[in-house]
This record gives sequence, structure tokens and C-alpha cells, in this order.
Amino acid sequence: QQQVRQSPQSLTVWEGETAILNCSYEDSTFNYFPWYQQFPGEGPALLISIRSVSDKKEDGRFTIFFNKREKKLSLHITDSQPGDSATYFCAASANSAGNKLTFGIGTRVLVRP
Amino acid sequence: EAAVTQSPRNKVTVTGGNVTLSCRQTNSHNYMYWYRQDTGHGLRLIHYSYGAGNLQIGDVPDGYKATRTTQEDFFLLLELASPSQTSLYFCASKGKANSDYTFGSGTRLLVI
Repeated sequence: QQQVRQSPQSLTVWEGETAILNCSYEDSTFNYFPWYQQFPGEGPALLISIRSVSDKKEDGRFTIFFNKREKKLSLHITDSQPGDSATYFCAASANSAGNKLTFGIGTRVLVRP
Repeated sequence: EAAVTQSPRNKVTVTGGNVTLSCRQTNSHNYMYWYRQDTGHGLRLIHYSYGAGNLQIGDVPDGYKATRTTQEDFFLLLELASPSQTSLYFCASKGKANSDYTFGSGTRLLVI
């Protein structure tokens, strides 16, 4: 059973558009939600993260919206650039269990110039 | 600069073969993790460790052993490799409780 679900699996947007990536989770003990960005041939790298006490986190063109009641969050990439083309993973962890992260299957984003 | 180094970068082995994947971190982090990445599954946790000599079972441990010899070094062992273990393997390290993961560049393993 997938504890962290992501959709869509792939997404194509034009340069300048807003890409919206969705994520949902099952475990109500999850309270930390990082998003990782991965380029081909590289390991994932932390992009932006949010804790469950917040409903929004913004970092430049990247914004996380978080709905604790519905156990859903989304990553918005505004003014998408071709350099944003990558795979994005939503992840979650709880304070216990060694803070191990549970990852979603990822969303592959392609930004066309 | 914090770093996680994995070796080898690529590995090919035969079914039934013995493989060791290596990971070294220079971050002085206590936590280390081994994940496998497969299309349609994302990253799945195999084993992890809180420190030298400590081992914890992850979510997909079958067919894998791990050993944390020092704070810096974490090894993943496949003693009887199978084609189902063909995958991209990532090691990661993490410091104190509220810090984030640092990933290595991955090892691509092919079992033929």
C-alpha cells in the first residue's frame, strides 16, 4: 500500500506556465513533508519542505500548499523554466522511527520552451 | 561541503553473484539510509542505521544485508543477487532530528 501518493506521474507545461504537482498521504502521524528534485544521473536534492503546523511555504517560484484535514499537499512551480525539467518526489516522515522518509513515486515534469 | 560518495557508479553481476555497494559520508551524520529507486515505485527504503554498529530494517529488506562499520561507512550486501534487484541504489545521510537528507549520486546495478 502506497503511503504517499503522487499525481500526475508526468506533466508537460510551457515555459512561463504554472506546474501543479499533487501529493496525498495516509499516515496521520506524518508531520514533515519535503519535496525533492532529481535530475537525470543525479541523486535527489531537497527543494522545499513544510511542517504540518503550516499551510503554506514559499521559496521563490516554488510554493507548497498543505491541507492537514484532507491529508493533501501540492507543489506549485510558477513561471516554469526549462531548467525545472526534472522528477519531483513528495516525501513524508513522522517524528519517530528514525525520521525515515517515505517517498511517493515521483512526478516527471517537462517544461517546453 | 557535506558529501555522500557511493561506489561503484555502475555494476553488472550475474544471477547468484555477490555484490557489495559502498557509501561514505563526510558530514559527521549519525543516520544513514539505503534506498532503491524503480520506475513506478519511487524510492523505497531497504535498511538504515543510527550509528556505527547499528542496523534497522527498512520497508523492502528481503535479499539485502547491510553493515555500518564506522560513522562514515555504510555497506549494502547482496549475497545471492537476483534480476529483481536490478535497480538504481541511493545512499543518504542525515544529521540531527530536524535536518534533511543528503543523497549520493547513486549506483546503478544490473543483475543478468
